[in-house]
Amino acid sequence: AQSVTQLGSHVSVSEGALVLLRCNYSSSVPPYLFWYVQYPNQGLQLLLKYTTGATLVKGINGFEAEFKKSETSFHLTKPSAHMSDAAEYFCAVSGGYQKVTFGIGTKLQVIP
Amino acid sequence: GAVVSQHPSWVICKSGTSVKIECRSLDFQATTMFWYRQFPKQSLMLMATSNEGSKATYEQGVEKDKFLINHASLTLSTLTVTSAHPEDSSFYICSAQSGGSNTGELFFGEGSRLTVL
Repeated sequence: AQSVTQLGSHVSVSEGALVLLRCNYSSSVPPYLFWYVQYPNQGLQLLLKYTTGATLVKGINGFEAEFKKSETSFHLTKPSAHMSDAAEYFCAVSGGYQKVTFGIGTKLQVIP
Repeated sequence: GAVVSQHPSWVICKSGTSVKIECRSLDFQATTMFWYRQFPKQSLMLMATSNEGSKATYEQGVEKDKFLINHASLTLSTLTVTSAHPEDSSFYICSAQSGGSNTGELFFGEGSRLTVL
């Protein structure tokens, strides 16, 4: 069984401030972890993924996430928020050849 | 990267009619495709999983006679909403997994906004 918890359905940050979106997971097997971004009326786009190897993963648009097994976390960060980062972000977990489980999503608002 | 195309992006139909949504993997073979429904301000709700050449597996509570899914080839899956009613209005998204991947990574279509009048 697997699950994802995203803390905070809405996060607001000022433009230029640090972005931190939290994700905790549970999985009975070594997990594959993903962050997706969704802009209004669009599908989901992969931001970054952790499969194996280096636990700090860099993705597109300056985002990165760190896999911490001891904390069962995969938080998404970006040093400096841009207005174009305003979107909904979904954390997801997979055990490989299994269904992907999504979190409820976090809507990021960037304040000018 | 892998591209999934979904069509149409927007569709408006009258109550009682049927609507077909197509999901195509453009540059890879998708052995498994997934159909999701997304209500406003909510996460993705998995409706069904379709594997090429076999019947779709529906999630609990999803009416298989209402939402017909066909996965006739490794690059095409279709979702048909039959006898649509206003409560079927929603954003439908498909995704695909490559047969060569064992990580579960999904590639998403652009989504289809269905409005039933």
